[in-house]
Amino acid sequence: GDSVTQMEGPVTLSEEAFLTINCTYTATGYPSLFWYVQYPGEGLQLLLKATKADDKGSNKGFEATYRKETTSFHLEKGSVQVSDSAVYFCALIGGGSNYKLTFGKGTLLTVNP
Amino acid sequence: NAGVTQTPKFQVLKTGQSMTLQCAQDMNHEYMSWYRQDPGMGLRLIHYSVGAGITDQGEVPNGYNVSRSTTEDFPLRLLSAAPSQTSVYFCASSPRGPDQPQHFGDGTRLSIL
Repeated sequence: GDSVTQMEGPVTLSEEAFLTINCTYTATGYPSLFWYVQYPGEGLQLLLKATKADDKGSNKGFEATYRKETTSFHLEKGSVQVSDSAVYFCALIGGGSNYKLTFGKGTLLTVNP
Repeated sequence: NAGVTQTPKFQVLKTGQSMTLQCAQDMNHEYMSWYRQDPGMGLRLIHYSVGAGITDQGEVPNGYNVSRSTTEDFPLRLLSAAPSQTSVYFCASSPRGPDQPQHFGDGTRLSIL
């Protein structure tokens, strides 16, 4: 079945540091890939997505590139801010589905001033 | 635009009690789903629905029932609450399509004593 593996947290960075959160996947067909963010006490929000190989999703300074050859979708940001502190989830909808999301376990990011 | 609305936000139950978590969306989305979020486990799919009158089981369906009589509403019922069901529950909805992100409610924090 489909699965998503993302790096274990927690991750603690200083403001303006570079961020990478690794995500790899196993899926049938050609999945769509997503990053969601969950701020404290809130539900999940879509951060970015990519729907085919070599697509780059971007939003709020975050980027991730759909790499089919390495089955990866790593999240990056060049300069993190305190307000980026949250839990980040990598997720996919497998090629055989129109709906069902499969999530990674989440990575807690804390950014210190 | 209300999006996905979950009620209640917090609830404490005693073992053996029953209750219904409410979820409503006003975006005319076909797909709705329920997840539970537990520490270190990410989000796990409980039940989902691809349209009114159609429901199916997800990864962890035991102890929960759902129904989908209208497009807008997708309630989750706990028939006889157990301490293992202590969790944060999220409802989500999306339009049809493998590239469509899901929209999440703010969650219901449920404690079973």
